[in-house]
Parts: sequence; C-alpha cells; structure tokens
Amino acid sequence: AQKITQTQPGMFVQEKEAVTLDCTYDTSDQSYGLFWYKQPSSGEMIFLIYQGSYDEQNATEGRYSLNFQKARKSANLVISASQLGDSAMYFCAMRDWNSGGGADGLTFGKGTHLIIQP
Amino acid sequence: SAVISQKPSRDICQRGTSLTIQCQVDSQVTMMFWYRQQPGQSLTLIATANQGSEATYESGFVIDKFPISRPNLTFSTLTVSNMSPEDSSIYLCSVASNTEAFFGQGTRLTVV
Repeated sequence: AQKITQTQPGMFVQEKEAVTLDCTYDTSDQSYGLFWYKQPSSGEMIFLIYQGSYDEQNATEGRYSLNFQKARKSANLVISASQLGDSAMYFCAMRDWNSGGGADGLTFGKGTHLIIQP
Repeated sequence: SAVISQKPSRDICQRGTSLTIQCQVDSQVTMMFWYRQQPGQSLTLIATANQGSEATYESGFVIDKFPISRPNLTFSTLTVSNMSPEDSSIYLCSVASNTEAFFGQGTRLTVV
C-alpha cells in the first residue's frame, strides 16, 4: 500500500524567502508519479508540479521545483521567492499504475498549512 | 489541461435525503475519479468511474451509499445517499493523464 507523509502541519515564512515543504513516500512499486497541489481557502485544488519515478532531472515549474531523492523516497517542494498569495494548504500525492496500464487514483498526504508573512 | 465543471458548488441538505453531484469535462477522458475531503482533512479517493463498466470503490466506500454513473467519456455523477451529518465534506471529481491530474472546483456539502 502507498503512503505519503508530510511532517509539517504548519509553517510560517517571511515573504520573499524560499520555502521547502517536506514529503516522504512509501511504495513497493518501481513506476509511480508524485504530485504537489495547492489548496487555497476557496477549496479548489491547483496542480503545481509532477515528478515521475524514472525522471532523472528534478521537475521545475516557474517558482516551484521538486527536490526528488529517490533513494531516500522524498519529494520535497521548493518555492522560491515566496509571495503572500502562496499562503494555502499544500498537499503531496502519489499515484501508481494499475495492472491494465491505466492511472490509479491519488494517495494524498495530510498536508502542510503554509502562511507567508509580510 | 482539462477544464472540469462540477456542480453544484455547494449545498445544504437535510439528513436522510440524497444529493447528486455532476462532473463535466471539456474533453474525452478514460478515467474519472471521485474524492472526499472531510473538514480539516486531506483528500481520500472514493472510487474510479469507468465508462461502460461499474465504478471501482476503495475500501470503506460502497456503491449503495455512493452510486456513480459514467454514461460517456466526458461526464460522471456521484450520488451521496441517505445523508447524515458525517457526510458533510467537500466532494471533488478529477481526471488524469500520465503526468497530470486535474480537479473540479468541488462541491461543499453540509448535512443538517
């Protein structure tokens, strides 16, 4: 069974600083995908970044990068130059693929509540 | 990226009644997923909605309580049946490709 662990229930960060949100995972599968989502108070789930288990380079999307350390089973999200609008819940999630080759649903961590202070 | 329209966006329902949530996607997708997010909690997968076959439910979720329809490749519904206050949650539909997974805006359900 898959498991996602986010050990930081809440974080306070000064505006313009870089932020690292921790995520570790546990799976017996060799092929899997890792996702990060942002959920503001409105409740929508905003897709941020994806990392495949066979990707050799860390994924980047604008100010977001994923620090993927496969041997340690960690997939930390790094937000550079944080902004007030980054304040939200952040969820790490994992997916593997079913026996038919199709994508399974996601398994989510408990989330980190990030607050950016001016 | 897929555009997903989910409705209603919120509702307040009486216990014992049922609510059907609709999810419309702007492109054909093979698999759609339904999630529940209880207050202050993370997302939990309810079921996978497959076109042309019965939905596949996760442990702890049953078809009688959460019947799902998937009549075509762009549409799905989730019904929350015989509701109780414990069903008060955000319900979200999702579609996925190999490297992406997008969510509808969610349905915020309150059962009184």
